[in-house]
Amino acid sequence: AQSVTQLDSQVPVFEEAPVELRCNYSSSVSVYLFWYVQYPNQGLQLLLKYLSGSTLVESINGFEAEFNKSQTSFHLRKPSVHISDTAEYFCAVTRRDNYGQNFVFGPGTRLSVLP
Amino acid sequence: EPEVTQTPSHQVTQMGQEVILRCVPISNHLYFYWYRQILGQKVEFLVSFYNNEISEKSEIFDDQFSVERPDGSNFTLKIRSTKLEDSAMYFCASSGQERTEAFFGQGTRLTVV
Repeated sequence: AQSVTQLDSQVPVFEEAPVELRCNYSSSVSVYLFWYVQYPNQGLQLLLKYLSGSTLVESINGFEAEFNKSQTSFHLRKPSVHISDTAEYFCAVTRRDNYGQNFVFGPGTRLSVLP
Repeated sequence: EPEVTQTPSHQVTQMGQEVILRCVPISNHLYFYWYRQILGQKVEFLVSFYNNEISEKSEIFDDQFSVERPDGSNFTLKIRSTKLEDSAMYFCASSGQERTEAFFGQGTRLTVV
């Protein structure tokens, strides 16, 4: 079975400061990795994903995440956050094969961007 | 852009009543899921559905829960006899053959009183 750990339940940061949200996963098989964002009272939106190839993936709004196989991590970073980035961020994995088809989510990190 | 749609957006029901939550997944997707999120908490997997049958379910998905794809477009979650602790946001999701992304609906907020 797969599991996802997000050690920081809440991360407060000032506007224009850098931020890193940590994600570690456990799996005995290869996985795809995802970051989803949830704004207040909304559904989950895909922020970025790692499927294969370059271990550094980027989103259109300035976030990036790096897959590190040896550390089983997929940390999310942004060099300069905006007030509008305030949201809940969920790291998720799913197996590459078809023996386990669900997406396993971490507990989430609440990012609060302060003016 | 194709999207997953869920109805209703909010449902209030009395304890012990049956509820049906409805979802229309993206049309060419093959995998369908239900997740729930108790207010402010983690996103919990309930069930996945593929090829017209349940492919995986969690311990939460007990005999009170069932899923159906009645007509090739809708995907429903039924809770037979609701309990107070079933109050949560329920999300439907779907993904394509390669499962390289799960697309989520906006959710149904279920309140059991």
